[in-house]
Amino acid sequence: DTAVSQTPKYLVTQMGNDKSIKCEQNLGHDTMYWYKQDSKKFLKIMFSYNNKELIINETVPNRFSPKSPDKAHLNLHINSLELGDSAVYFCASSQRAGLAGGNEQFFGPGTRLTVL
Amino acid sequence: RKEVEQDPGPFNVPEGATVAFNCTYSNSASQSFFWYRQDCRKEPKLLMSVYSSGNEDGRFTAQLNRASQYISLLIRDSKLSDSATYLCVAPYYGQNFVFGPGTRLSVLP
Repeated sequence: DTAVSQTPKYLVTQMGNDKSIKCEQNLGHDTMYWYKQDSKKFLKIMFSYNNKELIINETVPNRFSPKSPDKAHLNLHINSLELGDSAVYFCASSQRAGLAGGNEQFFGPGTRLTVL
Repeated sequence: RKEVEQDPGPFNVPEGATVAFNCTYSNSASQSFFWYRQDCRKEPKLLMSVYSSGNEDGRFTAQLNRASQYISLLIRDSKLSDSATYLCVAPYYGQNFVFGPGTRLSVLP
């Protein structure tokens, strides 16, 4: 029944490792997002895909690579993890792209990444 | 001006109080806005959409002032369960948008 799900919920890893976070939505939405929320609680958009096509790509190190195998899934792969990557990563989805009225985003529960 | 700015908080108010937060935005062409609520260690959840002049839902009223480029959120008769961080969302450019830094509210018994 979960609308937007993410795995894993917690991820603890060493610097330099490569890790992936998976996201799935069962709402039939066209658009999916990845956000990073750091220790200061700022929620910043990283990427957005609309029907599997990348439409928003903010200033994010190229160690971060999103992949959307279909419009219900948006995974995030991170290479060569650094201490500064420690944060909570949220996946979200919305019916369509943009901020038109009624186009709310539904967020997953978040993945708390800790890099040691 | 930053894309989206919010009152820094935290706001500590007694139960039953009325409290208001402001959010200013930089993109004068913005048409639609949102208020989200985020509980501690949880994901953000939509509280209200805001377009035209404003919106009201029970104890919550959101107003939009295009001339001064801000939106406000008014909470009447505060409940303990209203304690959370309130995030404002505004369009930035194209299909992009920005979440504000959030305003933390603590409703005290």
